[in-house]
Amino acid sequence: EAQVTQNPRYLITVTGKKLTVTCSQNMNHEYMSWYRQDPGLGLRQIYYSMNVEVTDKGDVPEGYKVSRKEKRNFPLILESPSPNQTSLYFCASSSPLAGGQETQYFGPGTRLLVL
Amino acid sequence: QKEVEQDPGPLSVPEGAIVSLNCTYSNSAFQYFMWYRQYSRKGPELLMYTYSSGNKEDGRFTAQVDKSSKYISLFIRDSQPSDSATYLCAMSAGSYIPTFGRGTSLIVHP
Repeated sequence: EAQVTQNPRYLITVTGKKLTVTCSQNMNHEYMSWYRQDPGLGLRQIYYSMNVEVTDKGDVPEGYKVSRKEKRNFPLILESPSPNQTSLYFCASSSPLAGGQETQYFGPGTRLLVL
Repeated sequence: QKEVEQDPGPLSVPEGAIVSLNCTYSNSAFQYFMWYRQYSRKGPELLMYTYSSGNKEDGRFTAQVDKSSKYISLFIRDSQPSDSATYLCAMSAGSYIPTFGRGTSLIVHP
């Protein structure tokens, strides 16, 4: 079954405490991306990756880092979280590689609260 | 003005109705157009993907793109209560960074 998994699903943390949200896909997709979803603002892309060791900024990359050391995994790192990073985060993977996402799957989401 | 405008609704229709969901945009470089369905507390699900102008049909769903008017639509025929969800439009100029609308909440009541 095609699947994108994210962990943790829920996280409460404090300002400045580094955290990592993991993302893994089992479809051998080249393209993966991270989004945040906020009320009234919709989905906004944070970072994307076109393949292993190839990453680039999306619309709202400030305060986030990513890495793509393996094709299946694309973790999102918040080195020093702040309350304005409280949000619902989604990981996605897609194929074929194109400007649009012809076949795309989203993870179930990670709800993050930064106190 | 946001690049992509989408009425948040909610749009409430009776079961069996034809639903029309729409987005307008301002960036004439957009050439990839997507529609997603998102159930409460779930990740978005890609429903339709269209490149450039024209229509695309998949079962009860039809996506239309009118680039001259910068207007896209998603039609749902014979709507069902299970279609109740938030529908997101998204578009891209080929830069791998899609721009999303804020979503329209659809309620199909029996």
